[in-house]
Amino acid sequence: DTEVTQTPKHLVMGMTNKKSLKCEQHMGHRAMYWYKQKAKKPPELMFVYSYEKLSINESVPSRFSPECPNSSLLNLHLHALQPEDSALYLCASSLTGGAGETQYFGPGTRLLVL
Amino acid sequence: KQEVTQIPAALSVPEGENLVLNCSFTDSAIYNLQWFRQDPGKGLTSLLLIQSSQREQTSGRLNASLDKSSGRSTLYIAASQPGDSATYLCAVRGNQGGKLIFGQGTELSVKP
Repeated sequence: DTEVTQTPKHLVMGMTNKKSLKCEQHMGHRAMYWYKQKAKKPPELMFVYSYEKLSINESVPSRFSPECPNSSLLNLHLHALQPEDSALYLCASSLTGGAGETQYFGPGTRLLVL
Repeated sequence: KQEVTQIPAALSVPEGENLVLNCSFTDSAIYNLQWFRQDPGKGLTSLLLIQSSQREQTSGRLNASLDKSSGRSTLYIAASQPGDSATYLCAVRGNQGGKLIFGQGTELSVKP
C-alpha cells in the first residue's frame, strides 16, 4: 500500500464551526506533514510530525491544531477559521523525515470557509 | 533565503513534441531537488528525486538533470502526450534538512 488517504475530499464550514481533517497512511512511515495550498500557488508547509511528535510548526495560527494519535494517522483540527483559510490542505508522509527521502502526498481536502 | 523559480509559468505544445521545463534556485547548498506533478485540484505525485551528488535521474520518458553550481535543474519530457498535461513543480531541500521550498510551477498543456 503506497497511498496516503485524506478525508473528507471537500469541506464547507462557517467561521464559528469546529471541524477536523484526517490523513492516514499504512506505509510504515514515521514522518507526516500538513501543507496548505492556495489556488495557483505552491504548497506551503504548516506542520511536521516525526515519530508522533511535533517537530516543525511553521508559525501557523492557533486556529489550526494538529494531532498525531498514532504513527498511521494525522489530524488537523480547525476552529474559528477565516475566509482566507480557504485552500487545498495536503497531507504527506515519508519514511523517517530524513532530508533525502521522497514525500508521498495525499489527494488533499478542499476547504471553503464562509 | 532560498528562492525557487520556474520558467515558463505555462506552456502549450502539440502532442509528440519533446519539451524542457526549467527550475532555478538561488542557494546552491541544497541536499536534493525533487520534481512533482499535480493534476488540477489533486495532490502531488513525486516524479524524480535527485540527490545533490547526482547529475540526473531518469524514469520512462522523463529525465531530470541537476547543475548545482549554476543553481539549475531541467525536466525533459520526451514524446509528450495529452495525459502529461498537468502542473509540474520543482522543490529543493537545503543542506540543513528542513522543509521543501517549492517553485511556482509550470502549467503544461499537451494538445492532441
